[in-house]
Amino acid sequence: GQNIDQPTEMTATEGAIVQINCTYQTSGFNGLFWYQQHAGEAPTFLSYNVLDGLEEKGRFSSFLSRSKGYSYLLLKELQMKDSASYLCAVIEGTYKYIFGTGTRLKVLA
Amino acid sequence: GAVVSQHPSRVICKSGTSVKIECRSLDFQATTMFWYRQFPKQSLMLMATSNEGSKATYEQGVEKDKFLINHASLTLSTLTVTSAHPEDSSFYICSARGESAQETQYFGPGTRLLVL
Repeated sequence: GQNIDQPTEMTATEGAIVQINCTYQTSGFNGLFWYQQHAGEAPTFLSYNVLDGLEEKGRFSSFLSRSKGYSYLLLKELQMKDSASYLCAVIEGTYKYIFGTGTRLKVLA
Repeated sequence: GAVVSQHPSRVICKSGTSVKIECRSLDFQATTMFWYRQFPKQSLMLMATSNEGSKATYEQGVEKDKFLINHASLTLSTLTVTSAHPEDSSFYICSARGESAQETQYFGPGTRLLVL
């Protein structure tokens, strides 16, 4: 079956580093996306991983281990505007995106 | 990134009426469009996937006769909620993607539906 797990909530301090984990069990894995979603808004694309390893993009990095069914999103130099939900989504096959429940991140001053 | 628009952004309707939501890709041809529903503090739940010119593929538990999807062109898909009831009140989000499975999907801004 399909299963994607993320922590429900995390809290971190402005300027700090936070790692949001995502574990998944799917068939026909074809890549993993991370999205950011502010309350009441649609998700926006952050990163995509299909091969094992780390993808770095500015303050955000994403890591994937396909053998472990594991990914994380790393946010550095946290800013208040980073307070949002972070969604892990796995592509299964050609069209099917399966979303995790999301992690609500609160950044405190 | 690419731009996807959604209209209306907010709709309030009486129980039993039908509501149509439009999703447009403004600057690229969307081979595939997705419709999601999101309840408060929950993640996105995929309702259906549609490819231009063919019938939509609905997820298990989603009634295709209640949620009518039309993907008539490479830039437009519509979702019609027929005979809406209060339990259909939710945030409906569309997204669009090009041909490759490894492309990201671009999300519309969402439509908040409230059925009284």
